[in-house]
Amino acid sequence: EVHLVESGGGLVQPGRSLRLSCVASGFSFDDYAMHWVRQAPGKGLEWVSGINWNSRNIGYADSVKGRFTISRDNARNSLYLQMNSLRAEDTALYYCAKSEAGTYNYYAMDVWGQGTTVTVSS
Amino acid sequence: DIQMTQSPSTLSASVGDRVTITCRASQSVSTWLAWYQQKPGKAPKVLIYRASSLQGGVPSRFSGSGSGTEFSLTISSLQPDDFATYYCQQYNSYSPTFGQGTKLEIK
Repeated sequence: EVHLVESGGGLVQPGRSLRLSCVASGFSFDDYAMHWVRQAPGKGLEWVSGINWNSRNIGYADSVKGRFTISRDNARNSLYLQMNSLRAEDTALYYCAKSEAGTYNYYAMDVWGQGTTVTVSS
Repeated sequence: DIQMTQSPSTLSASVGDRVTITCRASQSVSTWLAWYQQKPGKAPKVLIYRASSLQGGVPSRFSGSGSGTEFSLTISSLQPDDFATYYCQQYNSYSPTFGQGTKLEIK
């Protein structure tokens, strides 16, 4: 069975950093692009970042560009999101999602994890 | 970035009703559009991809149509399990974007 499990969320002060992880199982992780998508409390879905299977194509939402870094370790079946200079508006449930194929554009997100919660507050 | 606008934001309907949710893109996304269903406390689930292709395991009462900038999701006969929030998403670009969501409520 295909599974994505996120971790690393928590309460952090504004301006500090946090690193999220997502471990994949049940599929050939290194064949697929991956995404981070977030959902602020009571709000809709916001795409945060995407990375191709080989890490050669990466994209970010304007709201996180320059502060967040996506990466992956195919040997460890793991996806990461390094979040720096965190702001109150970054408070959200962060989902890891699998693309249908090796690139993150032109394909939908067909498997989602259950998310990890990030709260940015002093 | 491509903006996605869904309507209505909230829809009240009864079991057995046929309902349609629309999604408009600020520029053409061809058929690079998906629909997701999200229930409270759960992760989103893809229903439709490539504007009209039904994801495996999704009931046939769900259907999608459209291309370019105008899209729709139709549920032919609402079931109790269908009351949820629905999102469209374009993936035509390297910056995918979601609509703001449509909450489908029981009338």
